[in-house]
Amino acid sequence: DSGVTQTPKHLITATGQRVTLRCSPRSGDLSVYWYQQSLDQGLQFLIQYYNGEERAKGNILERFSAQQFPDLHSELNLSSLELGDSALYFCASSVGDSFPLGYTFGSGTRLTVV
Amino acid sequence: AQKITQTQPGMFVQEKEAVTLDCTYDTSDQSYGLFWYKQPSSGEMIFLIYQGSYDEQNATEGRYSLNFQKARKSANLVISASQLGDSAMYFCAMREPYSGGGADGLTFGKGTHLIIQP
Repeated sequence: DSGVTQTPKHLITATGQRVTLRCSPRSGDLSVYWYQQSLDQGLQFLIQYYNGEERAKGNILERFSAQQFPDLHSELNLSSLELGDSALYFCASSVGDSFPLGYTFGSGTRLTVV
Repeated sequence: AQKITQTQPGMFVQEKEAVTLDCTYDTSDQSYGLFWYKQPSSGEMIFLIYQGSYDEQNATEGRYSLNFQKARKSANLVISASQLGDSAMYFCAMREPYSGGGADGLTFGKGTHLIIQP
């Protein structure tokens, strides 16, 4: 157990729908990162939050949004889902946002859009 | 241009042999970090080893070592005495600082699928 908890583990939904993925970081970690792993795009950084504030953005679509709450858990919201959004979504956490630091990854949420 | 290049899509290796997984990177920053992660078929991402750009010695973690050649922008992972449980996808990744003073997300390579044969 890495200490980073992601729920749900699996999600199947229809095109056009909206889903929310949840991540609880490791105890003491203030930064949360979201990644998408798909067959065609590989592993891509989506967005980072640090202590409730958005810190860095990667290749995140406008249909996707995220937030980090006062208790430091984070949610990734995916809307108007398309077949191509089917992927493994990872959350990772680290103590701070200063370089260099390593991450701890959660076990991922596998999203299937049908 | 790709920032992280892993040129070996797949590798077959005999158990107990040493394995070298290649990784080259591209950055204009002086300060950066290089990581290797293992992803078994179950899907989780497991951190293996880290090398900072200013670290003069190659990083080692148990059976894993990182052959860091800064001038060549190379960060190969070496697994000594491979085991059947080493069969997995292996990803090289780089973290560069961003202008805000903190650090951006990791950039991953496409991975190498390593299969250890008995």
